Amino acid sequence: GEDVEQSLFLSVREGDSSVINCTYTDSSSTYLYWYKQEPGAGLQLLTYIFSNMDMKQDQRLTVLLNKKDKHLSLRIADTQTGDSAIYFCAESMDSSASKIIFGSGTRLSIRP
Amino acid sequence: KAGVTQTPRYLIKTRGQQVTLSCSPISGHRSVSWYQQTPGQGLQFLFEYFSETQRNKGNFPGRFSGRQFSNSRSEMNVSTLELGDSALYLCASSLGQINEQFFGPGTRLTVL
Repeated sequence: GEDVEQSLFLSVREGDSSVINCTYTDSSSTYLYWYKQEPGAGLQLLTYIFSNMDMKQDQRLTVLLNKKDKHLSLRIADTQTGDSAIYFCAESMDSSASKIIFGSGTRLSIRP
Repeated sequence: KAGVTQTPRYLIKTRGQQVTLSCSPISGHRSVSWYQQTPGQGLQFLFEYFSETQRNKGNFPGRFSGRQFSNSRSEMNVSTLELGDSALYLCASSLGQINEQFFGPGTRLTVL
């Protein structure tokens, strides 16, 4: 069945890079996503990658996909206090924005 | 452009009651998806409506139902509430593509 796993917590120093990792089980996943949820807020789609891509960069965000190992990572360069949030890895079979399977989320905390 | 709105934001009910939550999508969006977020189960897909038809459904009991109106507004209903239904219920709207998907702030339901 479908399953997406992430570590629960990550703590990084302000200014360092954060790397959040995720593994998924469904080899037919076509789209993989990273969402951000700030306290008291809904989810915000940060970025996504197609399964035929290895890497995608968008300003401070870099997504790496290892399809063989079913491993996805999100790197945030120059981490700021505003990056404190829960980050969810997710997958879906298509681009229709429906039936997205989410991981449990990684809580990123920033220390001075 | 106004974002996705959900009403009410907070709700307290008792076991056995029923509840209706509302989601107003971004103007022009025809797809509305509903998710349940709990500390124990994380984010789980409930169902998706597109042009008034249920297009996808998650693995929830029949007590959870939804509908979509001609103006794309959607409601979800939970009958015979159980303590375990306490959760943040999120809806997301899109034109039909993931990169156009936006989440609302959620309705926090507490069942006593």
